[in-house]
Amino acid sequence: QQPVQSPQAVILREGEDAVINCSSSKALYSVHWYRQKHGEAPVFLMILLKGGEQKGHDKISASFNEKKQQSSLYLTASQLSYSGTYFCGILGSNYKLTFGKGTLLTVNP
Amino acid sequence: ETGVTQSPTHLIKTRGQQVTLRCSSQSGHNTVSWYQQALGQGPQFIFQYYREEENGRGNFPPRFSGLQFPNYSSELNVNALELDDSALYLCASSSGAEQETQYFGPGTRLLVL
Repeated sequence: QQPVQSPQAVILREGEDAVINCSSSKALYSVHWYRQKHGEAPVFLMILLKGGEQKGHDKISASFNEKKQQSSLYLTASQLSYSGTYFCGILGSNYKLTFGKGTLLTVNP
Repeated sequence: ETGVTQSPTHLIKTRGQQVTLRCSSQSGHNTVSWYQQALGQGPQFIFQYYREEENGRGNFPPRFSGLQFPNYSSELNVNALELDDSALYLCASSSGAEQETQYFGPGTRLLVL
């Protein structure tokens, strides 16, 4: 089952914060976050494992709520380079990564 | 360390033809997964190869087939191409451990006319 991402799109000014949510109707074992810029391949951001702690690097962090079957990606003090489409992927028992439809983030100067 | 590479970068085919796409996995990785990404959508899992064996398949018809070679590079073959097969085809490699991060190649953009 495809995870549901929200919002579908968000527009920010440089320096503003954003939160992108990823929800699943099935139990989550791991959530993988990627960012894809137009015409390029998805780039790995981070992986959240069941029972693991909140992760982050630079000003991007993520959390994993097993009870709510939800993960959230937090972008703090956004930079122009953060623009792109963010995908969450959930890993199934057959090693299949199922991606959401994506959240288009636009950061303007 | 070499990243994931794919060839060709772009391809134009006509309906009914067959196509082969290639992927070289990242150094040290023994698992390759293939995805189809239609415009404006997230990548959709086609199948995964681990140590030359198919190790999971998504909801794609049998005309989508693949191979993995002893050096862990991989091919995706699509027979009897349809217009809806037009998409970006991505391969991703990983070390094969459960929940391991998958690293994507640049993709092959296929256009079927």
